Amino acid sequence: GAVVSQHPSWVICKSGTSVKIECRSLDFQATTMFWYRQFPKQSLMLMATSNEGSKATYEQGVEKDKFLINHASLTLSTLTVTSAHPEDSSFYICSAREAGWAQYFGPGTRLLVL
Amino acid sequence: QKEVEQDPGPLSVPEGAIVSLNCTYSNSAFQYFMWYRQYSRKGPELLMYTYSSGNKEDGRFTAQVDKSSKYISLFIRDSQPSDSATYLCAMRGGSEKLVFGKGTKLTVNP
Repeated sequence: GAVVSQHPSWVICKSGTSVKIECRSLDFQATTMFWYRQFPKQSLMLMATSNEGSKATYEQGVEKDKFLINHASLTLSTLTVTSAHPEDSSFYICSAREAGWAQYFGPGTRLLVL
Repeated sequence: QKEVEQDPGPLSVPEGAIVSLNCTYSNSAFQYFMWYRQYSRKGPELLMYTYSSGNKEDGRFTAQVDKSSKYISLFIRDSQPSDSATYLCAMRGGSEKLVFGKGTKLTVNP
């Protein structure tokens, strides 16, 4: 149980385009979902926390207009990287929390912006 | 002082060895403690989680929390090559936000 999926697993795009990443909790309802990014050989950096039906809470230094988060249902959250640039290239990982307090992570999405 | 300190390693052990991974923390409000395993280019996988102090065992894995010393450990018995990964400790207090260690890279050699 507690499976989280992400789509796509990797994406290559041109600078200036927007990219949408989906995060789904497959076998549980996630009241809260989280978005992280991870640079090579670094730990996870929390970008934002989202609760179903409400606006996401962004961490300091994360541009909310650049990283749009939508948590439309208890099983789906999306992260849209708008007008992506090469410095946005990273590994994006979502996690979901069910009724308990443990977070379960998706497999990650590798983004490369050319 | 960082909230969570974790020796990044790398740690290399022979197959069958007992592995000890550790984190220290400074925030006394932390109550929930987790260990994640992350294989290269994959998302973290939840291995163990404990609330407050004490031990928890699951197969070859044992998690220990000593809140008085602000120290948590993960022990892996009879380590296998498939255990080779980066191990991340994570913890939180009353807020939703998890605070992660930097991760320890473990290699188990056959």
